[in-house]
Amino acid sequence: LAKTTQPISMDSYEGQEVNITCSHNNIATNDYITWYQQFPSQGPRFIIQGYKTKVTNEVASLFIPADRKSSTLSLPRVSLSDTAVYYCLRVGSSNTGKLIFGQGTTLQVKP
Amino acid sequence: ETGVTQTPRHLVMGMTNKKSLKCEQHLGHNAMYWYKQSAKKPLELMFVYNFKEQTENNSVPSRFSPECPNSSHLFLHLHTLQPEDSALYLCASSQDYTVSNQPQHFGDGTRLSIL
Repeated sequence: LAKTTQPISMDSYEGQEVNITCSHNNIATNDYITWYQQFPSQGPRFIIQGYKTKVTNEVASLFIPADRKSSTLSLPRVSLSDTAVYYCLRVGSSNTGKLIFGQGTTLQVKP
Repeated sequence: ETGVTQTPRHLVMGMTNKKSLKCEQHLGHNAMYWYKQSAKKPLELMFVYNFKEQTENNSVPSRFSPECPNSSHLFLHLHTLQPEDSALYLCASSQDYTVSNQPQHFGDGTRLSIL
């Protein structure tokens, strides 16, 4: 199964850096790690995707160690508007285009 | 604006009604998807179309009937639904279903309530 494991919830305060770690022990060679963000009553939004090492874009960074059995989404200086559910997914030959969503991590940013 | 538009945003219907959900994407993608998101449950993939051909039916009851007339439009026809079908129905698109590392772009969904 192309499942991942991540914490159910996290709390943070405005201005802090938030790191959400995802475990994917059985990741296949061709799998990518993809993160989505979802606000209530909206569809998930693509945040970032990576294969190994580090990927950075305008909103987040993604760190994937050499063994690729885990990954960490890093959100710099979060604000209240970053309160959302964050999903870590494996996407690749193991599930060919099918996104398998888990429960995600509910991030609550406090003032 | 995600490039994927779903209508209506909200729908209330009785169990004997027939209605349709509509999805349109303006991204030039060739794959389109229907997902169901129930309260406190993960998103569940329902159907996949790639180049207008249905490639996945994830054991969805026949009271849900998808239609994909072209790569930009996707419909979900609803008939004789049950109360447990009340959920957020999400449409997504991607460049090509077989290119698995292409991100999917989601619409904001139709909130469906069955009376």
